Amino acid sequence: AQKVTQAQTEISVVEKEDVTLDCVYETRDTTYYLFWYKQPPSGELVFLIRRNSFDEQNEISGRYSWNFQKSTSSFNFTITASQVVDSAVYFCALSSYGTSYGKLTFGQGTILTVHP
Amino acid sequence: NAGVTQTPKFQVLKTGQSMTLQCAQDMNHEYMSWYRQDPGMGLRLIHYSVGAGITDQGEVPNGYNVSRSTTEDFPLRLLSAAPSQTSVYFCASRKGQGTTEAFFGQGTRLTVV
Repeated sequence: AQKVTQAQTEISVVEKEDVTLDCVYETRDTTYYLFWYKQPPSGELVFLIRRNSFDEQNEISGRYSWNFQKSTSSFNFTITASQVVDSAVYFCALSSYGTSYGKLTFGQGTILTVHP
Repeated sequence: NAGVTQTPKFQVLKTGQSMTLQCAQDMNHEYMSWYRQDPGMGLRLIHYSVGAGITDQGEVPNGYNVSRSTTEDFPLRLLSAAPSQTSVYFCASRKGQGTTEAFFGQGTRLTVV
């Protein structure tokens, strides 16, 4: 069975601080996909990034960066110079290849609060 | 292009009532799924479908039925609502292997009293 763990339930930072959200996953599959989604207070789920298991290259997009390490089964997400608009619940998720492709296994979510 | 459309956005049911949550997508996606979101538990998979006529159970299927008669629609039926089904429900769709992320509807907030 697949499992995603986001050990940080809540994080509180002051604006302009850097913050890292941790994600650890378990899977027996050799090919899989990892995702980060953001859920702002309005409630919708906003896609942030998708990563394939065979692509360990880290990625930076503006103030966001992701560190994928297969050796430690981790896919951590860093926000640099946080802003109040970053306040949201962040979910890490995992899916397999093949017929289970449509299923996502989510972590419990991390509530990020950025104070002005 | 509307994406994934869920109706209704809010619903209050009495225990024992039945209802159907509607989900439609206009992106010709093969994969569709239903999740429920409860505090501290993330999103959990209820049912999913890999195409018209094919459905399968997820992690928490009890009390829910689905069918997929067309590619576009994937309704979720609550057979006899219980307070434990109070939750926020999300429908998602996804295209073929390795191509894109899952797209989510806006969610349905269901309260069972």
